Amino acid sequence: DAGVIQSPRHEVTEMGQEVTLRCKPISGHNSLFWYRQTMMRGLELLIYFNNNVPIDDSGMPEDRFSAKMPNASFSTLKIQPSEPRDSAVYFCASTPPGGGNEKLFFGSGTQLSVL
Amino acid sequence: GQQVMQIPQYQHVQEGEDFTTYCNSSTTLSNIQWYKQRPGGHPVFLIQLVKSGEVKKQKRLTFQFGEAKKNSSLHITATQTTDVGTYFCAGGGSARQLTFGSGTQLTVLP
Repeated sequence: DAGVIQSPRHEVTEMGQEVTLRCKPISGHNSLFWYRQTMMRGLELLIYFNNNVPIDDSGMPEDRFSAKMPNASFSTLKIQPSEPRDSAVYFCASTPPGGGNEKLFFGSGTQLSVL
Repeated sequence: GQQVMQIPQYQHVQEGEDFTTYCNSSTTLSNIQWYKQRPGGHPVFLIQLVKSGEVKKQKRLTFQFGEAKKNSSLHITATQTTDVGTYFCAGGGSARQLTFGSGTQLTVLP
């Protein structure tokens, strides 16, 4: 049974370039979360979707970041333009339907390096 | 907003020694979850505690949730090299959001 699938695994880009990270949640899961992990700030929630609708994007750093979930099986996180301080591991996670805090299933992450 | 503090940040132990990490929240939590992240890996769910004073065990791992539901601990008995990784607590609040602690990085020396 496939878990959460993220691509690419690694991304190296130059400052100013557009970066798009992709995520496929586990089939049947209806909530999707984007997290960013750095040594300095730990695991930060950027945005989460419920039934494809963005519920809370208060963690999105600034207007350079945007996320979409066009359908239940696909989400993107876009950074435009990218900056060196965006270098981090970006995780996507999904949870099954439920009334409370269901456990998170994380993807393998995208290691982003902005030069 | 909700803050979750976790200590210690790092812990080195000899194989066979015990290990404990502590988690404290600034607010009362609806539940707390624990995750383990191996080096170079992604966080993997270990357990969820919901009730005040709850204690759960998984083999050598013991998880506790405080009576006031503001603190929690993870204790590993007789560590093994396979226990290496970073252990995160995550406090549950409203709207399905979890606030992660900063994690405790465990190194087990053979």
